[in-house]
Amino acid sequence: ETGVTQSPTHLIKTRGQQVTLRCSSQSGHNTVSWYQQALGQGPQFIFQYYREEENGRGNFPPRFSGLQFPNYSSELNVNALELDDSALYLCASSLPGPSTDTQYFGPGTRLTVL
Amino acid sequence: GQQLNQSPQSMFIQEGEDVSMNCTSSSIFNTWLWYKQDPGEGPVLLIALYKAGELTSNGRLTAQFGITRKDSFLNISASIPSDVGIYFCAGTYQGAQKLVFGQGTRLTINP
Repeated sequence: ETGVTQSPTHLIKTRGQQVTLRCSSQSGHNTVSWYQQALGQGPQFIFQYYREEENGRGNFPPRFSGLQFPNYSSELNVNALELDDSALYLCASSLPGPSTDTQYFGPGTRLTVL
Repeated sequence: GQQLNQSPQSMFIQEGEDVSMNCTSSSIFNTWLWYKQDPGEGPVLLIALYKAGELTSNGRLTAQFGITRKDSFLNISASIPSDVGIYFCAGTYQGAQKLVFGQGTRLTINP
């Protein structure tokens, strides 16, 4: 069974650029959530996708957007990058049903904005 | 929004000692999860709790879902060097899709 995978591992961008991060969910998991983790803090919820639709969003501006594909993989897009967007971006997948709260995380993408 | 208060923020212990950390909320949570995160890695799920009063073990780790549904604790017995890392509690509440995380407990072990 393959766990959650994310790409790329690291990324360096400059302010104002756009970035796309990718996530493949764990086998059989149809729900994907994205989190931002600043240095020294706990992860903060960005949004969740279920059946290719956004299914909940945290306190992040519209320049953070996402997609989910029929194979349950997902993308996180961030436009007009700001210095404060530098963080570890985590993708988590979960099973449908009663265990949907139990989320399994990928290794993350470290984004640095200069 | 909902917040989880996790304590202690850091712990410095000797190898072989037992460890205890806890998490509290002002609101009722439906699920409590405990994760461990190593530097530069994603959080790894240690224990998931789904019912008030539930006590679950995973090797040397034991966690409990508080009766009031507003707290949870994690115990680690006979600590070893590979236990070093940051431990996060997380939970979900009614109607929310997201996990809410505590601030983390950084565990350091002196050999």
